Amino acid sequence: DQQVKQNSPSLSVQEGRISILNCDYTNSMFDYFLWYKKYPAEGPTFLISISSIKDKNEDGRFTVFLNKSAKHLSLHIVPSQPGDSAVYFCAAGDTDKLIFGTGTRLQVFP
Amino acid sequence: SQTIHQWPATLVQPVGSPLSLECTVEGTSNPNLYWYRQAAGRGLQLLFYSVGIGQISSEVPQNLSASRPQDRQFILSSKKLLLSDSGFYLCAWSVSGGQETQYFGPGTRLLVL
Repeated sequence: DQQVKQNSPSLSVQEGRISILNCDYTNSMFDYFLWYKKYPAEGPTFLISISSIKDKNEDGRFTVFLNKSAKHLSLHIVPSQPGDSAVYFCAAGDTDKLIFGTGTRLQVFP
Repeated sequence: SQTIHQWPATLVQPVGSPLSLECTVEGTSNPNLYWYRQAAGRGLQLLFYSVGIGQISSEVPQNLSASRPQDRQFILSSKKLLLSDSGFYLCAWSVSGGQETQYFGPGTRLLVL
């Protein structure tokens, strides 16, 4: 049973436009959420996080939205840049552990 | 600042051979440590985590084991590798206490033939 789901395996966006990556979870006990970016053959790098007591967190071009009633979070990247092309993982925190989704491959084209 | 190291970067091993992957963290004390595996086209699967020396929690039954002989050292082992052990292995650390960001090492690509 997958507790964290990223239903879109891939997304293609034009440079300068908004990228929206989505993530759904099933366990209402998760109390913090994170997004990571991963290039091939490298470890994931942390992008942004949000606590379950908030519904929005912003850091530069990256904004994470949390809808607890829908058990849904999203990552918005505005404006999208070619360097943003990577696989993005959402993760949900359960005390000391993170449960990761399967990832969404974002491609930003000129 | 904190740094996490993993080695080797790439490893090709025959089926039935032993495995030892090492992870070390610098610049912090008493971190939580984690081992993940990313199989081809899959997400990140948590294999083991440790909140202190000698304290190991296993998340999935498998052919692997983990040990934490020192505060900032985490080792992933196997006595006999299987073909299904192939994948990308990632070590991560976080500050202890819960609700903390995990920071990942560069990973080890393991190919079992």
